[in-house]
Amino acid sequence: GDSVTQMEGPVTLSEEAFLTINCTYTATGYPSLFWYVQYPGEGLQLLLKATKADDKGSNKGFEATYRKETTSFHLEKGSVQVSDSAVYFCALTENGRTSYDKVIFGPGTSLSVIP
Amino acid sequence: DVKVTQSSRYLVKRTGEKVFLECVQDMDHENMFWYRQDPGLGLRLIYFSYDVKMKEKGDIPEGYSVSREKKERFSLILESASTNQTSMYLCASSPAGAVQPQHFGDGTRLSIL
Repeated sequence: GDSVTQMEGPVTLSEEAFLTINCTYTATGYPSLFWYVQYPGEGLQLLLKATKADDKGSNKGFEATYRKETTSFHLEKGSVQVSDSAVYFCALTENGRTSYDKVIFGPGTSLSVIP
Repeated sequence: DVKVTQSSRYLVKRTGEKVFLECVQDMDHENMFWYRQDPGLGLRLIYFSYDVKMKEKGDIPEGYSVSREKKERFSLILESASTNQTSMYLCASSPAGAVQPQHFGDGTRLSIL
């Protein structure tokens, strides 16, 4: 079945460092891809999405490009802040499988940014 | 500001009890979801509802049921709680046409003793 793999955490970075969180997926169809963020003590928020190959999703300085050839959707940010400390989840939708698009989440990657 | 509200942040119950988790959203969304979140497993869908009184099973519905009598409220019921249902439970919602969850509640951390 479809699946999402994320890099193991936790990731610890200094403020203003460059961030990459790797995400690869396995899908038989043409899924849409998402990044969600979960700040400490809060629920998840949709951070960005891309619905077709070569689309770039962006929000709050984060970017991710849908790479069909490498089945990847890596999350990047040029300069992280302490406030970016959170758990980041990569996810995809299985299109057309059921009466709704089922979302499959990766296990999450914890990011800690230190001053 | 949009809001998904879960009735309890922390809940402790005993094995065999019937447990109710409540979720209310104020965005008039058609779709509502219940997930459980476990370390290393990410989020797994328990049940999904796309309209009042309509529901569909997710990946792990066993041991759970749901109720959607009003559009804004989606309840998760543990019929007879067991220790393996100790987890973080997250409710979410989205408007019609966007079936991926968009807004999540802060979660209920449920412990079954």
